[in-house]
Amino acid sequence: TQLLEQSPQFLSIQEGENLTVYCNSSSVFSSLQWYRQEPGEGPVLLVTVVTGGEVKKLKRLTFQFGDARKDSSLHITAAQPGDTGLYLCAGAEAGNNRKLIWGLGTSLAVNP
Amino acid sequence: DAGVIQSPRHEVTEMGQEVTLRCKPISGHNSLFWYRQTMMRGLELLIYFNNNVPIDDSGMPEDRFSAKMPNASFSTLKIQPSEPRDSAVYFCASSLWGDTEAFFGQGTRLTVV
Repeated sequence: TQLLEQSPQFLSIQEGENLTVYCNSSSVFSSLQWYRQEPGEGPVLLVTVVTGGEVKKLKRLTFQFGDARKDSSLHITAAQPGDTGLYLCAGAEAGNNRKLIWGLGTSLAVNP
Repeated sequence: DAGVIQSPRHEVTEMGQEVTLRCKPISGHNSLFWYRQTMMRGLELLIYFNNNVPIDDSGMPEDRFSAKMPNASFSTLKIQPSEPRDSAVYFCASSLWGDTEAFFGQGTRLTVV
């Protein structure tokens, strides 16, 4: 079974700090997605990366897909309390992009 | 659009009872997914449909679980009989076929006592 490992599992920081969370696998994915989930809600898509080495920016969030398409990172600059949530990565299996493999997530708390 | 609508939001039932979860996907979306989320196992894909036809149900844990999609605007996930280990948050998501972005509902929190 393909697995996506996310680290760290929990992260508590102060407003204004920078952070990076990681998503790693031994398998190659055709694409990888990052979602944010808030309590009592479903996950919401932040970004999809497709090309090895690709970097995408969404305001203060920077997403990178590894050259070999096995890993990804999410960097947040100057974190704000509104960034608090569960960050999930999900990889699309090669040859079957309908079936996403999910990590367990990184639970981020940004304290004012 | 109102997004993916799930009902009920919360369900508490006794072991052995039948549970039916409901989902209305986003209008125009032709793919529908049922997921289960727990702390230990994260998000697990149970089954997905394309154009109302089940494509992959390999994630359905046991014969106690069944899912139907009688039309493009409605799907159900049924557990009969329910067991305490079925307690989890169940999500429905929809998307356009060929598009990897999935839109999730708010989920149904199921507790089996």
